[in-house]
Amino acid sequence: KAGVTQTPRYLIKTRGQQVTLSCSPISGHRSVSWYQQTPGQGLQFLFEYFSETQRNKGNFPGRFSGRQFSNSRSEMNVSTLELGDSALYLCASSHGLAGDTQYFGPGTRLTVL
Amino acid sequence: DQQVKQNSPSLSVQEGRISILNCDYTNSMFDYFLWYKKYPAEGPTFLISISSIKDKNEDGRFTVFLNKSAKHLSLHIVPSQPGDSAVYFCAASARTSSGSARQLTFGSGTQLTVLP
Repeated sequence: KAGVTQTPRYLIKTRGQQVTLSCSPISGHRSVSWYQQTPGQGLQFLFEYFSETQRNKGNFPGRFSGRQFSNSRSEMNVSTLELGDSALYLCASSHGLAGDTQYFGPGTRLTVL
Repeated sequence: DQQVKQNSPSLSVQEGRISILNCDYTNSMFDYFLWYKKYPAEGPTFLISISSIKDKNEDGRFTVFLNKSAKHLSLHIVPSQPGDSAVYFCAASARTSSGSARQLTFGSGTQLTVLP
């Protein structure tokens, strides 16, 4: 069974631009969660999508948004990029049930110049 | 306020010996705990998990212990191998108010180095 895939793997943008990251979950998984990893803040939860609906949201500004499609693939968008948005963005998929394990993709390394 | 803490940023162990990684949490609503292993520039890889109804779960060389009264969990790796060298994150989750959604709260990680 193929794992979680994320595209692109690396991205360089400038301040003020916007970016869209993509995540394809493990086949059969309906939940996709997004996390941001930075050296200073560690791994932090952004939001979770389940059956095309945002089910849970972390403490990030509205510039961070996402969506999920009917095939469970998910996209994350960051608008008006800031230098502090430079990070490794990880998505994780699961069945979305209680006591479920989340499996992570390789991440997208975003650098904002 | 860190709800999940890994107080040791690094640990060095000799090959063949036991590695013990520790994690403390403050939120009593956490009911599911996981350990992930991470290499640089890669996503975390799931290792082992434990539900709050258990106090021990074992999978090969990896054993996780949960002490609910102390809000403490630990990961034991026996015997340790050089290939185990990586950053280890503990994570905890709780049901949200909606009852079904979950999010993982991660510790800051411990860099394990297994010396040959």
